[in-house]
Amino acid sequence: DGGITQSPKYLFRKEGQNVTLSCEQNLNHDAMYWYRQDPGQGLRLIYYSQIVNDFQKGDIAEGYSVSREKKESFPLTVTSAQKNPTAFYLCASQPTPTTNTQYFGPGTRLTVL
Amino acid sequence: AQSVSQHNHHVILSEAASLELGCNYSYGGTVNLFWYVQYPGQHLQLLLKYFSGDPLVKGIKGFEAEFIKSKFSFNLRKPSVQWSDPAEYFCAVNARSGGYQKVTFGIGTKLQVIP
Repeated sequence: DGGITQSPKYLFRKEGQNVTLSCEQNLNHDAMYWYRQDPGQGLRLIYYSQIVNDFQKGDIAEGYSVSREKKESFPLTVTSAQKNPTAFYLCASQPTPTTNTQYFGPGTRLTVL
Repeated sequence: AQSVSQHNHHVILSEAASLELGCNYSYGGTVNLFWYVQYPGQHLQLLLKYFSGDPLVKGIKGFEAEFIKSKFSFNLRKPSVQWSDPAEYFCAVNARSGGYQKVTFGIGTKLQVIP
């Protein structure tokens, strides 16, 4: 089955702990993106990557880190520096960075206790 | 920096009423425009997109949108809403920013359909 997978669906962590959210795609897409979705704020871009071993900060990158060592994987680490980490996190991929549509994963809901 | 404004955050319509959701963007160059929909408990999925050509684009489920370049707008329309349409609708812009293509989403419009 082709698609984007995010795991786990629900994640709970204690305050002060780093946590890594997984995003994998087998669509052979070049570009991958991380968003967080909060009520009333839509989707805000955290980080994006247009090619392996390269990534760019989005609009709200503070307190987050990413890596893109493989084309199919774009993990997001929520660090203890992120002041308000409880949110719904969406990963997306896109065939090329320019004119194509984004395909979204099912999301991970992170709750920091 | 590019930005997207969705003017109506919450829209309530009667079944069969016509729908128009506003979307304006700010960016001076070439843009690709999208409307995505998120039904309750489901993934975000593409409704329609504009890259070039005919500014009136048709999407799935009877939705259409018109790109008006002079107004920097890409409003979503449907002639008659149905019970299956309640969802959150997001407008998005893909444009060049700092040497990279970047996607910016609006804050979303939640649609409610009442008897």
